[in-house]
Amino acid sequence: GENVEQHPSTLSVQEGDSAVIKCTYSDSASNYFPWYKQELGKRPQLIIDIRSNVGEKKDQRIAVTLNKTAKHFSLHITETQPEDSAVYFCAASLSGGSYIPTFGRGTSLIVHP
Amino acid sequence: DTAVSQTPKYLVTQMGNDKSIKCEQNLGHDTMYWYKQDSKKFLKIMFSYNNKELIINETVPNRFSPKSPDKAHLNLHINSLELGDSAVYFCASSQGIEGVQGAFGYTFGSGTRLTVV
Repeated sequence: GENVEQHPSTLSVQEGDSAVIKCTYSDSASNYFPWYKQELGKRPQLIIDIRSNVGEKKDQRIAVTLNKTAKHFSLHITETQPEDSAVYFCAASLSGGSYIPTFGRGTSLIVHP
Repeated sequence: DTAVSQTPKYLVTQMGNDKSIKCEQNLGHDTMYWYKQDSKKFLKIMFSYNNKELIINETVPNRFSPKSPDKAHLNLHINSLELGDSAVYFCASSQGIEGVQGAFGYTFGSGTRLTVV
């Protein structure tokens, strides 16, 4: 089955700095890679996703990159703000069917004002 | 107007009891899920269900059972609760239709914090 490794487990940055969270996956057939943000005491929410036919996707201050050859993908947050503080989860799955995404173990991002 | 709603939000119960958590989605999604999030925040899949197929994570004890009266509901029933069942349980749904761009992200419910004492 799929195995997703996520690093680092904790990331502490100063407001305004950039933050990068990295994930690797094992199943080369995986073709859909979502990222979720979970604020303290709240539900995980989808913030951005990327499919295997795209190498990079941006949405304002967040971007995701995918390297299919190396089987890794990363979340980039620029100009971090205190409200970016949360746990971020990556996941990998096959589009369609009943294939269930495998989640990484999460990265706790702390943005210091 | 919540997309995925689950009740109750908090549940405190004694060991050995049987309890249910309800989940409803109004997104018209085809597939619903139950996840368990432990104290270390790890999201563990328990069940995936659409109108055709139930997929059970084989590591889930058979004390846990999903019940789906219709496409918009997937309830979780737990028998003989144990201390180790204490966690936050999230319901989620996804479109799950092949070939539809952006159709596979999850929408999570707000979670049910279960405490077994």
